[in-house]
Amino acid sequence: DAGVTQSPTHLIKTRGQHVTLRCSPISGHKSVSWYQQVLGQGPQFIFQYYEKEERGRGNFPDRFSARQFPNYSSELNVNALLLGDSALYLCASSLPGARGEKLFFGSGTQLSVL
Amino acid sequence: TQLLEQSPQFLSIQEGENLTVYCNSSSVFSSLQWYRQEPGEGPVLLVTVVTGGEVKKLKRLTFQFGDARKDSSLHITAAQPGDTGLYLCAGAELRGTYKYIFGTGTRLKVLA
Repeated sequence: DAGVTQSPTHLIKTRGQHVTLRCSPISGHKSVSWYQQVLGQGPQFIFQYYEKEERGRGNFPDRFSARQFPNYSSELNVNALLLGDSALYLCASSLPGARGEKLFFGSGTQLSVL
Repeated sequence: TQLLEQSPQFLSIQEGENLTVYCNSSSVFSSLQWYRQEPGEGPVLLVTVVTGGEVKKLKRLTFQFGDARKDSSLHITAAQPGDTGLYLCAGAELRGTYKYIFGTGTRLKVLA
């Protein structure tokens, strides 16, 4: 079975531009989460979507938005890019369970803002 | 804001040594997970602990959840070079399990 796939793997943008990152979850997973991982730190929660509805949002500005499609794939959009948005953006799909959700992460999109 | 502090931040040890990584918070979590992340990859789930005081073993790795569900530890016995990586703990908020707060990470290097 294919794991979580993210595209593109690397991206270079300049300040003020817009970016769209894409994620395809593991087949059968209906929940997708997005995390931002700045170099040297742990991932920070941005959004979670379940059945196309936003189920949670982290402490990120409105420049960050996301959506989930009927096939459960997801897009993360970031407008008006800042230098500080440079990071590894991770997508995780998950299955609920009695012992909490198990997150399965993709390899991420490395975004560099110049 | 819930925070998870991990210690140590960096650890470099010789093959065969034992080590313990700590994950501490002032907040209570409904569950806590440990992940390992290698360069260029996303984190991979190692274990989930749910009950206060719970101990889980995964081969040479032993995970413990604190009695008050505020802290956790990861102990590795006889470390091997393949254990090298970034170890992350992640706590699920009490009011729901959909948001995970990740720790600051412990970067482990095991030298052959």
